[in-house]
Amino acid sequence: DAGVTQSPTHLIKTRGQQVTLRCSPKSGHDTVSWYQQALGQGPQFIFQYYEEEERQRGNFPDRFSGHQFPNYSSELNVNALLLGDSALYLCASSLSVGEGVETQYFGPGTRLLVL
Amino acid sequence: AQTVTQSQPEMSVQEAETVTLSCTYDTSESNYYLFWYKQPPSRQMILVIRQEAYKQQNATENRFSVNFQKAAKSFSLKISDSQLGDTAMYFCAFMSPGGTSYGKLTFGQGTILTVHP
Repeated sequence: DAGVTQSPTHLIKTRGQQVTLRCSPKSGHDTVSWYQQALGQGPQFIFQYYEEEERQRGNFPDRFSGHQFPNYSSELNVNALLLGDSALYLCASSLSVGEGVETQYFGPGTRLLVL
Repeated sequence: AQTVTQSQPEMSVQEAETVTLSCTYDTSESNYYLFWYKQPPSRQMILVIRQEAYKQQNATENRFSVNFQKAAKSFSLKISDSQLGDTAMYFCAFMSPGGTSYGKLTFGQGTILTVHP
């Protein structure tokens, strides 16, 4: 049973460029959440996608956008990169349930360095 | 807004001993869920244990158990018989099934645990 996968594993960009990160959820999961983790800190929630729509969003600027495809995979796009965008970007997948809270399972992350 | 606080930036323990990691949180929600995640060095984050706030019984998973004190808004993790493989950053996290926190995990700052042989 494949877990959550992310690509690429590492990425180096320069300020002002745009980047796209990809995530495939765990088999059977339909919801994808994205988090930004700065070095030595806890992850910060960016947004969550369900049924190809953004269902919840954290305190991130519009430069951060996403997409979910019919097969539940997802992309995170960041425009006009800043030095402060350097971080580990984590994707987490879960199965939406009618009530309660679904446990999120994390991928290995994409390490982004902005120079 | 919900907040999660881990007041111990670093902890260390000898192999086979017991260690407790602290976590406090603040919320006005009555129904919520709490999690402990483990992030080994350069490896992916994995779920250690989960606690539903409406359950009075503390969750356990093998050597891992929690002490959930709802009134005090405290959620500590106890690791028994510590093993070298327990060395990792541990994060406490909060989620509620409704309101502004729906679908969103709020994490603490993390505690680096080192297990010494």
